[in-house]
Amino acid sequence: GQQLNQSPQSMFIQEGEDVSMNCTSSSIFNTWLWYKQEPGEGPVLLIALYKAGELTSNGRLTAQFGITRKDSFLNISASIPSDVGIYFCAGLVVQGAQKLVFGQGTRLTINP
Amino acid sequence: NAGVTQTPKFQVLKTGQSMTLQCAQDMNHNSMYWYRQDPGMGLRLIYYSASEGTTDKGEVPNGYNVSRLNKREFSLRLESAAPSQTSVYFCASRAPGAINYGYTFGSGTRLTVV
Repeated sequence: GQQLNQSPQSMFIQEGEDVSMNCTSSSIFNTWLWYKQEPGEGPVLLIALYKAGELTSNGRLTAQFGITRKDSFLNISASIPSDVGIYFCAGLVVQGAQKLVFGQGTRLTINP
Repeated sequence: NAGVTQTPKFQVLKTGQSMTLQCAQDMNHNSMYWYRQDPGMGLRLIYYSASEGTTDKGEVPNGYNVSRLNKREFSLRLESAAPSQTSVYFCASRAPGAINYGYTFGSGTRLTVV
């Protein structure tokens, strides 16, 4: 099946630092999404990308849809303590019904 | 406005026991999904229901069954629990033609099989 490889698996940073994580796939996706999961909760959508090359921002978050449609990255600028969590990339599969395929996640820890 | 509600939040089962995880959404969404989350593996799709009356297998369906009871409810059943089914289970729903394809997730059921 389709797989997404997300890296890094974990990050330990100081408050105020910028963060970058990425996701690659052997398959083409037409839609990429980035989710954040906080402890004890389900994932929440952060950003959705619909077109190759698209660059989209949501506050301090910026995500890009790779030109090849096989990769995406997420940047967080000037990190703050509430950015702690697990970040997942996801690609949308449309084969009959729509389904999301998720990356393994990046666990972000911030030292104040 | 509860969104997606999962019950129970926590459960411990003995190997071989059966149980049903419940999921209900109040957003009038057509599509519903069951995922499991394991450390280092992200979320993997177990079963999904594109609309009321239909269900299909996802990536990891073995050992599970599902029922789309009505438009609101989508349950996941473990007939004979195994330690390998220890995981956090998430239910999600999605509106048709959702402009950002955003799924709404429940807060999860943490299942331990001993």
